[in-house]
Amino acid sequence: GQNIDQPTEMTATEGAIVQINCTYQTSGFNGLFWYQQHAGEAPTFLSYNVLDGLEEKGRFSSFLSRSKGYSYLLLKELQMKDSASYLCAVELYNQGGKLIFGQGTELSVKP
Amino acid sequence: GAVVSQHPSRVICKSGTSVKIECRSLDFQATTMFWYRQFPKQSLMLMATSNEGSKATYEQGVEKDKFLINHASLTLSTLTVTSAHPEDSSFYICSPRLQDPNEKLFFGSGTQLSVL
Repeated sequence: GQNIDQPTEMTATEGAIVQINCTYQTSGFNGLFWYQQHAGEAPTFLSYNVLDGLEEKGRFSSFLSRSKGYSYLLLKELQMKDSASYLCAVELYNQGGKLIFGQGTELSVKP
Repeated sequence: GAVVSQHPSRVICKSGTSVKIECRSLDFQATTMFWYRQFPKQSLMLMATSNEGSKATYEQGVEKDKFLINHASLTLSTLTVTSAHPEDSSFYICSPRLQDPNEKLFFGSGTQLSVL
């Protein structure tokens, strides 16, 4: 079966750094996505990791270890607008782009 | 970048009625469209994969006679929720698979369905 785990909720302070972890066990792996989703809206793309290592994009970075089935999303210099749900999703191998999503991590940024 | 337009954004209907949701690609051709459902405070669950000109592939537990998917052209895929019931109330969202494998998967704007 497919299993993707992320913490349900996290709280952090404005200006701080927060790391959201994601572990996965899937039958095949092509890559891992991170999406941000505000309530009532569609997810928006943040990052895509295929190879091991850290991908940095502005305030957001994403790390992948394929051997450990582990990824994290790092958010720096947190802003109030970063309060949202963060979804980890695995793209399955050779299944035409099908994604399996984790349950999402609800991040609350406090002043 | 590529854009997919999803309509309606919100619909409220009576139990027993049918609701059609459209996803239209505006500046590209989508041979494959993924349809997801998201219940409150839960993640996205893949319902089915529609392919232009052929039958859709449904995930386990999804009733194909209740959730009718049509992908008659390369720019339009539709999901019809037939005989909707309150338990079908959910956020429905489409996501095209693009021809270019380097394009990142993205989503339509979503449809919030509320069945009374």
